[in-house]
Amino acid sequence: SQQGEEDPQALSIQEGENATMNCSYKTSINNLQWYRQNSGRGLVHLILIRSNEREKHSGRLRVTLDTSKKSSSLLITASRAADTASYFCATGTDNYGQNFVFGPGTRLSVLP
Amino acid sequence: DAGVTQSPTHLIKTRGQQVTLRCSPISGHKSVSWYQQVLGQGPQFIFQYYEKEERGRGNFPDRFSARQFPNYSSELNVNALLLGDSALYLCASSTYNEQFFGPGTRLTVL
Repeated sequence: SQQGEEDPQALSIQEGENATMNCSYKTSINNLQWYRQNSGRGLVHLILIRSNEREKHSGRLRVTLDTSKKSSSLLITASRAADTASYFCATGTDNYGQNFVFGPGTRLSVLP
Repeated sequence: DAGVTQSPTHLIKTRGQQVTLRCSPISGHKSVSWYQQVLGQGPQFIFQYYEKEERGRGNFPDRFSARQFPNYSSELNVNALLLGDSALYLCASSTYNEQFFGPGTRLTVL
């Protein structure tokens, strides 16, 4: 079974609104990473947060990590139509990409 | 700098055939991982190679094998193809923590 589980499975919002996606996992991790995938193409790395970090920002993205609850959230502010994609969280148990496990993803649709 | 490259982009095979997929990592990256992504699901880990040695293997049958070459490029081989092997096969290279993915190879098994 997969380590990460994103929630919701699908999300539809209007352009300009904020989008929040959540990820829960089951075992201890070294790091958690968020990826975006457009139309079944390759994955684009968005942000990495380590287990000793609580929050990270990158442009319009904000990621939080709560290791006590084994959960993470990805916030996209002021969404754009170009943000329409599937978003995946992936957990790593070491520093070298071993045991890297993806969740099933959240499909985000941003309507113009 | 060039990102991770994969070839071919698309591939159509019939059941029972064998397929070889290729991946070139980002320059300087010594680790390559392979993932299978079935439509509508997240990627599933198949293999990881570091410095030409296998460092991890996912829950895939022995029909799946891989290797890494001295220049750190890698090949994924799948024998005796089944319809269920139809998927997007993704390669990722990493140096530390972050994994960078290639565009994938779309394999269709008829």
